[in-house]
Amino acid sequence: AQSVTQLGSHVSVSEGALVLLRCNYSSSVPPYLFWYVQYPNKGLQLLLKYTSAATLVKGINGFEAEFKKSETSFHLTKPSAHMSDAAEYFCAVSGRISNQFYFGTGTSLTVIP
Amino acid sequence: DTGVSQDPRHKITKRGQNVTFRCDPISEHNRLYWYRQTLGQGPEFLTYFQNEAQLEKSRLLSDRFSAERPKGSFSTLEIQRTEQGDSAMYLCASSSIGTGGHQPQHFGDGTRLSIL
Repeated sequence: AQSVTQLGSHVSVSEGALVLLRCNYSSSVPPYLFWYVQYPNKGLQLLLKYTSAATLVKGINGFEAEFKKSETSFHLTKPSAHMSDAAEYFCAVSGRISNQFYFGTGTSLTVIP
Repeated sequence: DTGVSQDPRHKITKRGQNVTFRCDPISEHNRLYWYRQTLGQGPEFLTYFQNEAQLEKSRLLSDRFSAERPKGSFSTLEIQRTEQGDSAMYLCASSSIGTGGHQPQHFGDGTRLSIL
């Protein structure tokens, strides 16, 4: 069975500072991993995905994530936070056979001007 | 690509009433998923279709919930005899067919259900 754990339900950063959102996965086989962003009253928008090609994945809006098998992690980073990055971020895992996605509980990012 | 469309965006109803939501996926996507999201939580999987076939159902999906995708295009999710605990955002997503679960899902903006 797959699952993800997002450490920190709320993260605050200053505008221009580094953004680091944490995600650890649990999977018996190498998983597929995703980061999604959700703005208020909107659906989820895909930021990036890991599908076992490069371990460093670049996504939209300047975000990237690194797959670290030894740490079972897939943390999301952005070098410089922008006010428009304030939103809810979800990490998700999917298996190589099942088509189900399992989402974390989310991290709410606040950007302080 | 017009995106995943859900209707209505908001539904307010009295406890005990039946409600039906509609989802129109991205036209070339064969797979369609329904999720439920409550405040402060991530989406929880409810059910999944490949074309018109309903292939997986979550244990969360009680017998009051039913989903259809009759022609392999749009889908409906019906909740009968609604209860307070059904209040949530109901999200629909679609994806193309690929090996395993590596195809990302594209989400609609959801239907927010409020039970009075």
